[in-house]
Amino acid sequence: EVQVLESGGGLVQPGGSLRLSCAASKFTFSSYAMSWVRQAPGKGLEWVSSISGNGGSTSYADSVKGRFTISRDNSKNTLFLQMNSLRAEDTAVYYCARGTSIPDYWGQGTLVTVSS
Amino acid sequence: DVVMTQSPLSLPVTLGQPASISCRSSQSLVYSDGNTYLTWFQQRPGQSPRRLIYQISNRDSGVPDRFSGSGSATDFTLTISRVEAEDVGVYYCMQGTHWPRTFGQGTKVEIK
Repeated sequence: EVQVLESGGGLVQPGGSLRLSCAASKFTFSSYAMSWVRQAPGKGLEWVSSISGNGGSTSYADSVKGRFTISRDNSKNTLFLQMNSLRAEDTAVYYCARGTSIPDYWGQGTLVTVSS
Repeated sequence: DVVMTQSPLSLPVTLGQPASISCRSSQSLVYSDGNTYLTWFQQRPGQSPRRLIYQISNRDSGVPDRFSGSGSATDFTLTISRVEAEDVGVYYCMQGTHWPRTFGQGTKVEIK
């Protein structure tokens, strides 16, 4: 069965950096766009970023543009989210999802907490 | 940005009774390829979102047929024909036609 599994979350100080990973399996990774979606504690879903199958096209929410970078390694079936200049408002569970227009498979999420 | 507005935000329902959630977009969600990328997700307590319906009315594999989606352009509805206890959770609509992708605020379904 298709699986996506996030990792890399944790506690980081404001202004710090963190790199999230999403390991994909049981599908042809390079054939699919991928997305990151986050959910702040007790809040709704917020789209963060998406990347095309070959990595040549990326999009970002205004709230993270210039601070976050999405990338992928198709040889390792892995999606990344490099997060820099983190703020308290970036605290959330970050989900990796397959697709961008109608994302189907979602991971269990990884918690990022930005606090001093 | 396309604003997705769901109503109601809270929906107490009686077991076995129908329930409907409305989702309205601030712009048409019809893409240049003719498809409408409106998706419904269910998030049960403590779980990740699960896709239920895509492109307005296509039910995902394994989703009970009591769930159905309808609508067009800017006005969409998720209907549960007979609510069961396992349907408790928050339901989100999402548009995948325009950038940035946007979600509705979520509708919390609970049993009366």
